[in-house]
Amino acid sequence: AQSVTQPDIHITVSEGASLELRCNYSYGATPYLFWYVQSPGQGLQLLLKYFSGDTLVQGIKGFEAEFKRSQSSFNLRKPSVHWSDAAEYFCAVGHPGGGNKLTFGTGTQLKVEL
Amino acid sequence: KAGVTQTPRYLIKTRGQQVTLSCSPISGHRSVSWYQQTPGQGLQFLFEYFSETQRNKGNFPGRFSGRQFSNSRSEMNVSTLELGDSALYLCASSDSTTRGEQFFGPGTRLTVL
Repeated sequence: AQSVTQPDIHITVSEGASLELRCNYSYGATPYLFWYVQSPGQGLQLLLKYFSGDTLVQGIKGFEAEFKRSQSSFNLRKPSVHWSDAAEYFCAVGHPGGGNKLTFGTGTQLKVEL
Repeated sequence: KAGVTQTPRYLIKTRGQQVTLSCSPISGHRSVSWYQQTPGQGLQFLFEYFSETQRNKGNFPGRFSGRQFSNSRSEMNVSTLELGDSALYLCASSDSTTRGEQFFGPGTRLTVL
């Protein structure tokens, strides 16, 4: 069965520091890959997506992610974190040919220290 | 373009009751998916509707049902509510028939007492 693992439940970084959030997936082929962000009391906002092609993808708010097939990973990075980035981040996989069903990881709660 | 809207935003029900939640997708989007979010189970896929037909279904009991209307608006219904149904229910819409790229609404917070 498909699964998504986000090994870090909580991460705290200082404002201005770099950030990397980890995501590993288990899937029979290359899935579609997504990162979403959720602020308290809000829905999910799409940060970036990977379907195919260039393995380094750029998203909104200065985020990027790199797909590594050999490691089944899709880690999210940001070179300099802002206090407004504090939120919960979810990695998700879509299923090629499987409609719009997404399988989500358990999320990583990001805290930013000023 | 207006985003995905969900009504109501908050709902309190008691065990045994039923509830209907509504979702209006982004204009032009024909796919609507529903997700349940709880602290214990995280985000779980309920079902997806495309052109009024259920295309995908998650692993939830039959008490959870949905439908989609010709204008792509969707409703989900939960019958015989249980305490464990307390959750944030998120609706997402898409204009692609595959790939899973979706736009989420703010959710309906359901509390079952």
